[in-house]
Order: sequence, then C-alpha cells, then structure tokens
Amino acid sequence: DSGVTQTPKHLITATGQRVTLRCSPRSGDLSVYWYQQSLDQGLQFLIQYYNGEERAKGNILERFSAQQFPDLHSELNLSSLELGDSALYFCASSVVQEGDTQYFGPGTRLTVL
Amino acid sequence: AQSVAQPEDQVNVAEGNPLTVKCTYSVSGNPYLFWYVQYPNRGLQFLLKYITGDNLVKGSYGFEAEFNKSQTSFHLKKPSALVSDSALYFCAVRDIDFNKFYFGSGTKLNVKP
Repeated sequence: DSGVTQTPKHLITATGQRVTLRCSPRSGDLSVYWYQQSLDQGLQFLIQYYNGEERAKGNILERFSAQQFPDLHSELNLSSLELGDSALYFCASSVVQEGDTQYFGPGTRLTVL
Repeated sequence: AQSVAQPEDQVNVAEGNPLTVKCTYSVSGNPYLFWYVQYPNRGLQFLLKYITGDNLVKGSYGFEAEFNKSQTSFHLKKPSALVSDSALYFCAVRDIDFNKFYFGSGTKLNVKP
C-alpha cells in the first residue's frame, strides 16, 4: 500500500458525459501527478500540481482539467467524454517535486460506453 | 523529439540468469531517470532513480541500473532473476530544465522457472 488513495476504483459512463476522479496523496506529500494508461498509448503524463499550483503539463487534453485543493487532495475532471478516453487513470504523489520518488495510487478504471 | 525508448516489448529469461531491460532517452535538458515496476492490476512501484553522483544506482529487490551519459541509456539489470520479478517495467525521465516528464512504453519481463 503506497498511501495514495484514489476514488472511485471503477467508473462506467456514456459518451458526452463528465466525470471527476479524486486523489488523496500520502501524508506530507505536496506534489500530485496524474497519468493516463491505455493499451494503445501506454502511460502518459497528464499534469502535476505542487502545493496547489500547476507545476508541469504533459499530454493533457483541453477537455480535461485538474486542481489541487488546500488540503492537498486533487481532482481530475474529464468532460465531453469519448470512447477513446477509456483508460486507467493513476494519481501519484511525492514530497516535493522533480527528483523525488513518486508513489502511485491503485488507479481508477474509466470505461466510456 | 524528446522521449524515452524501451526497444523491447518483452524480455524472456530463465530463473537464476541475469536480466537486462533496456532504456534510452532523449531530452533537451538534464535528466533525472527512474525505473518503476507494475504488477497486474496494480499501480506502479518505484524501483530506483538516478539524480546525480555515482552512475551505478542500486534499488529495490536487488535491481540496479547504470546511467551512461554518452549513450543516453539507463538499462535496468539484476544478476539473478526470480519468477516473482515477472511484471511490466517502465523507464521514466524527468527533463528538469524544461520541466517535462516522460515514460517509456514498458517492457514485459517474463521469468520462467
């Protein structure tokens, strides 16, 4: 158990809908990262927040957005969902940032029908 | 293009034999390098990282990796493979100058008894 929690574990929704994925980092970790893992695209870095501020941006679509709240938990919002958004979404956290080890949560499996 | 390459989709090795999982990278700035392992239906787990210093890095479960700047490689090695090492291995690089984070496509390691 990494200490990173993600909810929900599974999510099934329809195209065009909007969902919110939630992540609670390990106690004391200030950075939160979001990743998408799919069969065709592999593991893609989406975005990083550090102490409430956006720190780094990867291959995140405009339909997706994230934020980190004062209590350091983070939410990833996915809107106008498409079939291709079906994937495993991981959250990770680290103490500070660049050189720190990231601890991954168990993931949220999103299925878009 | 900046990226991480894991040229082998799959590596097969017999238990007790040495193993190598290859990784090369291409980034514009200075790299921080990481190896993670993913077991079925689980999140990623940290194995080891290179930030600075000695080019040979030792990590969890007897794994080690050597940073080779001239060849831009960071191959993962283990002197004696175990069946329990069978998993999906990801190489990752943080371009600290341009604040980007990249993962390789993953290499499936199969260790046979």
